[in-house]
Amino acid sequence: NAGVTQTPKFQVLKTGQSMTLQCAQDMNHEYMSWYRQDPGMGLRLIHYSVGAGITDQGEVPNGYNVSRSTTEDFPLRLLSAAPSQTSVYFCASSKAGGYGYTFGSGTRLTVV
Amino acid sequence: RKEVEQDPGPFNVPEGATVAFNCTYSNSASQSFFWYRQDCRKEPKLLMSVYSSGNEDGRFTAQLNRASQYISLLIRDSKLSDSATYLCVVIRVSNYQLIWGAGTKLIIKP
Repeated sequence: NAGVTQTPKFQVLKTGQSMTLQCAQDMNHEYMSWYRQDPGMGLRLIHYSVGAGITDQGEVPNGYNVSRSTTEDFPLRLLSAAPSQTSVYFCASSKAGGYGYTFGSGTRLTVV
Repeated sequence: RKEVEQDPGPFNVPEGATVAFNCTYSNSASQSFFWYRQDCRKEPKLLMSVYSSGNEDGRFTAQLNRASQYISLLIRDSKLSDSATYLCVVIRVSNYQLIWGAGTKLIIKP
């Protein structure tokens, strides 16, 4: 099993550019989430989904969009990149509410 | 007040020692609790769930005190490879999303 796969691993964007961070899981998990991690800030929830077709906002959703058209995929779109979005982004999935999450290896994004 | 609070550390501990991490949470309705481990520049990995009766996995013991809203993790006979950041996690009852502590950094010294 691949688990949770994130691509790309590294990305440099210019301010104002848009891009999509990909996340796919092969464990048939219903719950998927996107986090960002900044030094000294811990993990902060951006968006999450409890199943295909269902998404909701987390703590820091501004500047990001998500969609969940299939159980497997949960892409995160940066609409117009800003330097404040420089961070490490993690995608995670869980089989259901109340269970632990499995994380992807992360995407390191730098916006210049 | 943060929903989940941990001592940020770092804890500098000699190899072979016992080390304890503590974590408090504010929502008394919380039902699920976990400890994650995160190595430098890596993703968090689930270390263990925390059950009401307490649970043990090798050198690791997790305990939950619901009355005090307190979770602990004990590592016995610490190894150099235990050096990492340990994150306390509580599941928010309203949407089953994870609420993260900021983590405690552990450095095991030879």
